[in-house]
Amino acid sequence: NAGVTQTPKFRVLKTGQSMTLLCAQDMNHEYMYWYRQDPGMGLRLIHYSVGEGTTAKGEVPDGYNVSRLKKQNFLLGLESAAPSQTSVYFCASNPGAEGGYEQYFGPGTRLTVT
Amino acid sequence: KNQVEQSPQSLIILEGKNCTLQCNYTVSPFSNLRWYKQDTGRGPVSLTIMTFSENTKSNGRYTATLDADTKQSSLHITASQLSDSASYICVLFFMNNNAGNMLTFGGGTRLMVKP
Repeated sequence: NAGVTQTPKFRVLKTGQSMTLLCAQDMNHEYMYWYRQDPGMGLRLIHYSVGEGTTAKGEVPDGYNVSRLKKQNFLLGLESAAPSQTSVYFCASNPGAEGGYEQYFGPGTRLTVT
Repeated sequence: KNQVEQSPQSLIILEGKNCTLQCNYTVSPFSNLRWYKQDTGRGPVSLTIMTFSENTKSNGRYTATLDADTKQSSLHITASQLSDSASYICVLFFMNNNAGNMLTFGGGTRLMVKP
């Protein structure tokens, strides 16, 4: 049971480039989330999904898009990267009510935009 | 103003000593309050989960307390070890909110344990 995995672990982009971050979970969780974590700040929610085929905006969605085509995968896309998107990105999942909404986090992706 | 404030922002202690981390919140009631440990370069991992009606919960050398009257929680670490060096994050969980608003995160306390 790998839990929540993220790829890649590190990435450097130039301003204007695009990329996709992949999150995968093997726990059959319905809920999945993308957060960013910046120094001195708490985790901020970018987008989330309550099930396959659904997505919704979080607190800081601008500049990001997401897709949940399969239940186990949640993709985060940056169409045109900006230096303000330099951050550490965490994916998380939780099983909903039956699992007490316990949140499981991935190991993170460190993104630098130059 | 953040709804969950943690103090101190950072802390250095010697191995073997005890320490207490603080979490003050402004919104209540909530379904539960969680403390997470985040090692450098890793994702947060759950340490304790306390319901609104509980006032203490232990996990080994970690003991979390909750005072609903003062809207404060603390995480006490006993006999610290080098492996306790990490960030500790206080999180409020609201079960009746929509899925995007269920969790409110504090900014964390960065703890360094020195030999």
